[in-house]
Amino acid sequence: GENVEQHPSTLSVQEGDSAVIKCTYSDSASNYFPWYKQELGKGPQLIIDIRSNVGEKKDQRIAVTLNKTAKHFSLHITETQPEDSAVYFCAASGTALIFGKGTTLSVSS
Amino acid sequence: SQTIHQWPATLVQPVGSPLSLECTVEGTSNPNLYWYRQAAGRGLQLLFYSVGIGQISSEVPQNLSASRPQDRQFILSSKKLLLSDSGFYLCAWNLGQINTEAFFGQGTRLTVV
Repeated sequence: GENVEQHPSTLSVQEGDSAVIKCTYSDSASNYFPWYKQELGKGPQLIIDIRSNVGEKKDQRIAVTLNKTAKHFSLHITETQPEDSAVYFCAASGTALIFGKGTTLSVSS
Repeated sequence: SQTIHQWPATLVQPVGSPLSLECTVEGTSNPNLYWYRQAAGRGLQLLFYSVGIGQISSEVPQNLSASRPQDRQFILSSKKLLLSDSGFYLCAWNLGQINTEAFFGQGTRLTVV
């Protein structure tokens, strides 16, 4: 089945800096790659997603890139703000959505 | 609009006691339903998913089970809880193909003592 690896597990940045989170997947048949943000004590919420027929997608300060050949995809957050602090999960669609172990992002002002 | 309800929000249960967590989705039909568990350092681990009534797929063998008695109802159960069953349990749904946005409930924090 699908296996998703996510790095780093923790990431600390200063407000205004950029943050990058990287994921790799194992199943070459996976074709949908969402990113979720989870705030403390709540369920994850989708922030951006990308499908395998697209190499990059942007939504304001957030962008995702996908390299199908290398089977990795990344989340880029520019001009980080304290409210970006949360746990971020990447996922890949195998038989179901399989998630990485998460990245705890801390943005200090 | 669609909503997902998950209860209870928190639960403290003794080792060896039974468990029943319920999840319901409103405002849609024939959703795919999922149970995930979130333990410290292990991310979101898929436990069960269902693409229709009575259809349950198990991803991780353990002492948990799932049932889908109605189209929009998904239940996670255990006959005898273990300490290792402690965690944050999340129900989720999506429509159609697996590769569409999944919507999560607010989760149940289970502590087995």
